[in-house]
Amino acid sequence: ILNVEQSPQSLHVQEGDSTNFTCSFPSSNFYALHWYRWETAKSPEALFVMTLNGDEKKKGRISATLNTKEGYSYLYIKGSQPEDSATYLCASLNQAGTALIFGKGTTLSVSS
Amino acid sequence: DAGVIQSPRHEVTEMGQEVTLRCKPISGHDYLFWYRQTMMRGLELLIYFNNNVPIDDSGMPEDRFSAKMPNASFSTLKIQPSEPRDSAVYFCASSQSPSGELFFGEGSRLTVL
Repeated sequence: ILNVEQSPQSLHVQEGDSTNFTCSFPSSNFYALHWYRWETAKSPEALFVMTLNGDEKKKGRISATLNTKEGYSYLYIKGSQPEDSATYLCASLNQAGTALIFGKGTTLSVSS
Repeated sequence: DAGVIQSPRHEVTEMGQEVTLRCKPISGHDYLFWYRQTMMRGLELLIYFNNNVPIDDSGMPEDRFSAKMPNASFSTLKIQPSEPRDSAVYFCASSQSPSGELFFGEGSRLTVL
């Protein structure tokens, strides 16, 4: 059974702070790592799909890195804004490479 | 494209009743996934289909749960009989490939009394 772990479970920061979360996954039989953003009362939306060791992706103030050899990915948010408040999910493909298994997410709250 | 469409958005039923959740994936997406969201377990994969064929249903909690995909544009998740512990948000998602971006529906919130 593939376990995807995320930390911290929740995080509260002030507007303007930069922050980062961790996602860990089994490094064997790695296929892809996804990050999703899930706002309250909406459905999850993809942020990044990463496949290569050392990959770095960026979308505005949000970026992510990937280390497939040691089985972790970091998500960074620079200069957090209240609209960044959401749950951030990471997911890794299962052993067969056919379906995404999700972590429980990191819930970010940004105060103005 | 309208995105992934799920119905109903909310369902309240009594223990023992049959519940049917419906999903229309994005046209052209060959993969369809059913997930269940609970506070305790997060997003759990229940079952997924490739080209309408169930590939892995090992996540289905028990025999009370069943899922079908009779054609490329429609899938159902059925719970019979329903129990209070089935209360959760059920998401349907589709993608063009198993490693590709998942597109989620808005979810069906089920409450079993």
